[in-house]
Amino acid sequence: NAGVMQNPRHLVRRRGQEARLRCSPMKGHSHVYWYRQLPEEGLKFMVYLQKENIIDESGMPKERFSAEFPKEGPSILRIQQVVRGDSAAYFCASSPDGETQYFGPGTRLLVL
Amino acid sequence: RKEVEQDPGPFNVPEGATVAFNCTYSNSASQSFFWYRQDCRKEPKLLMSVYSSGNEDGRFTAQLNRASQYISLLIRDSKLSDSATYLCVVNLGTYKYIFGTGTRLKVLA
Repeated sequence: NAGVMQNPRHLVRRRGQEARLRCSPMKGHSHVYWYRQLPEEGLKFMVYLQKENIIDESGMPKERFSAEFPKEGPSILRIQQVVRGDSAAYFCASSPDGETQYFGPGTRLLVL
Repeated sequence: RKEVEQDPGPFNVPEGATVAFNCTYSNSASQSFFWYRQDCRKEPKLLMSVYSSGNEDGRFTAQLNRASQYISLLIRDSKLSDSATYLCVVNLGTYKYIFGTGTRLKVLA
C-alpha cells in the first residue's frame, strides 16, 4: 500500500503566478487535510475535505486559495497570484476515518 | 495564550540519557492527544497516541494530565536516531487537530 503522495516536491513560482499542489491519499482513504508549515513554526490547519466535499476551510485564506478533492484523482490545493508570503511547506495528510492522519512528504513552494 | 504550547528547545542530551518534554493545551474540551516526530525537512510521523491512563511503547512513555492540561513524553536510553523535533498534537473532538510548534531534541554521541 503506497503512502500518501504529493507532487511536485518542490515548486518555484514568480509572484503573480499560480501554484497547483497535488495530494494522492493512501488507498481507501477518503479524508484529506492540508496544512501549511512556515520555517520554525508548527503546522497550521488549512482545509479538511472528504470526497467531493469541503468540510472545513476555516484555516485557508478566503482569497487566492482553493481546494478540491474530486471523485476521481488527487486532491488539489490551488494558490492563485502567489506572493512571497506563500513560500512554505505544504503538507497533506490522509485518513481512513478522520482521526489517524498519515502525512505526505510535502511540497516546498518558493515564490521569487 | 496559544492553544498548544511547547518549549522549542533544543534539548541537547548525551546518548543513553532520559529526557522528558511537556506540552500544555488551553482548551479543556480537548479530546485526544498525540505525539508526532518530524525530522528536518520531512513530514510528521505519528509516534504515539496519548491515553488517559498513560501508555508506553518501548523506550517511549506518554502521559496525560487533564487537571493541569498537559501531556508529556519521556524517552529513555536516548539514541542518536531519536534526534528530531517532537510535535504535540491536540484534537478538539472533531477533525480539528492543533499542532504545537515542536520541541527539538539533539542526542549527542
